[in-house]
Amino acid sequence: QSVLTQPPSVSGAPGQTITIFCTGSSSNIGAGYDVHWYKQLPRTAPKLLLYGTNKRPSGVPDRFSGTKSGTSASLAITGLQAEDEADYYCQAYDSSLSGSVFGGGTKLTVL
Amino acid sequence: QVQLAQSGTEVRKPGASVKISCQASGYTFTTYYMQWVRQAPGHGLEWMGMINPQIGSTAYSQAFRGRVTLTSDTSTSTVYLQLSSLRSEDTAVYYCGRSPYGDYVLDWGQGTLVSVSS
Repeated sequence: QSVLTQPPSVSGAPGQTITIFCTGSSSNIGAGYDVHWYKQLPRTAPKLLLYGTNKRPSGVPDRFSGTKSGTSASLAITGLQAEDEADYYCQAYDSSLSGSVFGGGTKLTVL
Repeated sequence: QVQLAQSGTEVRKPGASVKISCQASGYTFTTYYMQWVRQAPGHGLEWMGMINPQIGSTAYSQAFRGRVTLTSDTSTSTVYLQLSSLRSEDTAVYYCGRSPYGDYVLDWGQGTLVSVSS
């Protein structure tokens, strides 16, 4: 059971917008710690997608955006493309564990 | 460009230890933390710990405390992860990752498969 909870799967048609939620608690997201998001293709290392809740590293298109409210964060992908099909993970620091934690991951299927 | 080159596949028996390496290049080694994350087959990412290569300070996940040791060698820009008392559940791909402030991972190694089987 992950400290950060993500839905196991989401899906959407090309061109649509999907949102992946990451639910935490008062010791991580609710405590004000930043949330980071990663994209992972099969059999490859994860890739940083968003850091500091809503900042995009160089090369990440602005179709990807992040928000945070209370004990939850979300990743939104607009204009869904086939290449977006992957697993997505959230990460945040947890003060009660004195370490970083990941969400369980969400598999995005582009229909 | 930044590269994190990890050592190759390791096969161990239960109860043994393993030490894997992550050699960094393309940036100033001592100015970034290094995180370690593992992924068991068919499972998600699991944070293991991190090290500040400049001063050698470490932080470990409670799930691995007592079994994991992170070290760094600034002369070779290499970080090491040692995991002891291996069990079958430790079979996973282990990733190192460059981290600006010890929070997010900016760049990842290619991963090292550790297989634990009797």
